[in-house]
Amino acid sequence: DAGVTQSPTHLIKTRGQHVTLRCSPISGHKSVSWYQQVLGQGPQFIFQYYEKEERGRGNFPDRFSARQFPNYSSELNVNALLLGDSALYLCASSPGQGAGSPLHFGNGTRLTVT
Amino acid sequence: GNSVTQMEGPVTLSEEAFLTINCTYTATGYPSLFWYVQYPGEGLQLLLKATKADDKGSNKGFEATYRKETTSFHLEKGSVQVSDSAVYFCALSEVNKFYFGSGTKLNVKP
Repeated sequence: DAGVTQSPTHLIKTRGQHVTLRCSPISGHKSVSWYQQVLGQGPQFIFQYYEKEERGRGNFPDRFSARQFPNYSSELNVNALLLGDSALYLCASSPGQGAGSPLHFGNGTRLTVT
Repeated sequence: GNSVTQMEGPVTLSEEAFLTINCTYTATGYPSLFWYVQYPGEGLQLLLKATKADDKGSNKGFEATYRKETTSFHLEKGSVQVSDSAVYFCALSEVNKFYFGSGTKLNVKP
C-alpha cells in the first residue's frame, strides 16, 4: 500500500508570495494533520482535519489555512510568506482521530523562503 | 499545558552498546505516548506506542514503558546497531494533536 505522499518535495519562494502544499493520505485514512518542523526541533502542530472538517488548530497565524477534499486529500496554504516560514512541512494521516491513533507521516515538503 | 522534554543529543555509542534516551512529559489528561524515528531526508516513522499507564511498547528491539508516577517514557535498546543511527522523537497525543520533544540524535559507531 502506498504511504502518505506529499508534493512538491522541495520549494523555493520569495517573501510575500503564496504557497500551496499537497498531501494524499494512506488509503482508508480519514484524518489528515499538518506539522511544521524547523531544523533541529520537533514537529509543531498546525492543523488537523477529519471527515473534511477542521478539528484542531495550532498556534499559527491566520496566514496559514488548510482544507480537506472529499477524497480525503488535503492542501496547506500559506500566504504572505516570511523568512521564518522556512521549514519542513509534514503531512500525516491516521485512520481515526482518537488519542491512541498513531500518525503516519509523509516525507515532507522542504520550503525555503528567500 | 502539554509538553514533552527529552534528553539533548547527540548521543554517540559503539555498536552493541546499551541505549537509553530519557523522555518526560507534562499532560493535562491521560495521553497516549509514542516514540518516532526520523532518518535523514525522510519523514517520521512510528517506532512504538503505549496508550495507558504501565503499558510497554516494543518494536525492533526497542522498548519503552509508560510510567505515570514519574511521567516518563524512556526509550531503551539492549544492543544498538549502526543502522539505528537516526533522530528519535518522543511524543504525546491528546485528542486531536501530537506534542513532540525536540529530538535526540543517535550516532552509532562500528
